[in-house]
Amino acid sequence: EVQLVESGGGVIQPGGSLRLSCAASGFTVSSNYMSWFRQAPGKGLEWVSNIYTSGDTHYADSVKGRFTTSRDISKNTLSLQMNSLRAEDTAVYYCVTLKTSGTWRYEYWGQGTLVTVSS
Amino acid sequence: DIQLTQSPSFLSASVGDRVTITCRASQGIDKFLAWYHQKPGKAPKLLIYETSTLQSGVPSRFSGSGSGTEFTLTISSLQPEDFATYYCQQVKSYPHHFGQGTKLEI
Repeated sequence: EVQLVESGGGVIQPGGSLRLSCAASGFTVSSNYMSWFRQAPGKGLEWVSNIYTSGDTHYADSVKGRFTTSRDISKNTLSLQMNSLRAEDTAVYYCVTLKTSGTWRYEYWGQGTLVTVSS
Repeated sequence: DIQLTQSPSFLSASVGDRVTITCRASQGIDKFLAWYHQKPGKAPKLLIYETSTLQSGVPSRFSGSGSGTEFTLTISSLQPEDFATYYCQQVKSYPHHFGQGTKLEI
């Protein structure tokens, strides 16, 4: 059974850094495309980043140059390093699997971790 | 960027009703559209991908159609567990934007 468990959220001051982790079970992170999404309180869903099996990454313009997605093969985890955080980065962050056989689809979602950027 | 506009934004319905939600894309996206629903405090759940393919385990009362720029999600007979917020998402090109959501209320 596929399971994704995010951690690392919390309250951080503007300009600060935070690293989110996503522990995966039931599959191998490095053998799959993986993604991060976020949802600001009371708002809609926003795609943040994708990482391919090759290690190539893609980012939303809103986070490009500030956020970095990576994988830890030994721990079977996905990470999101967030730097220069802004108030508008406040959101629940979701780790998601991206299935690419046939049409791409974001299949399995973690429960999310809340990041609050506030002084 | 490809923008998605859902209508309506809010929808009131009753158990047993047939409801349809529309998603319009700012440019053609072939059939690269997915639908999700989300309940308060929970993660989104994939319902349909490639416009009309039902995700494994999703009840057959859900169906999707469309192509190009106009797409619909239909629930043939609403069940109590279907009251949620529904989102469409395009996966034609980056960024993989969502529509603004449709809140389906009793």
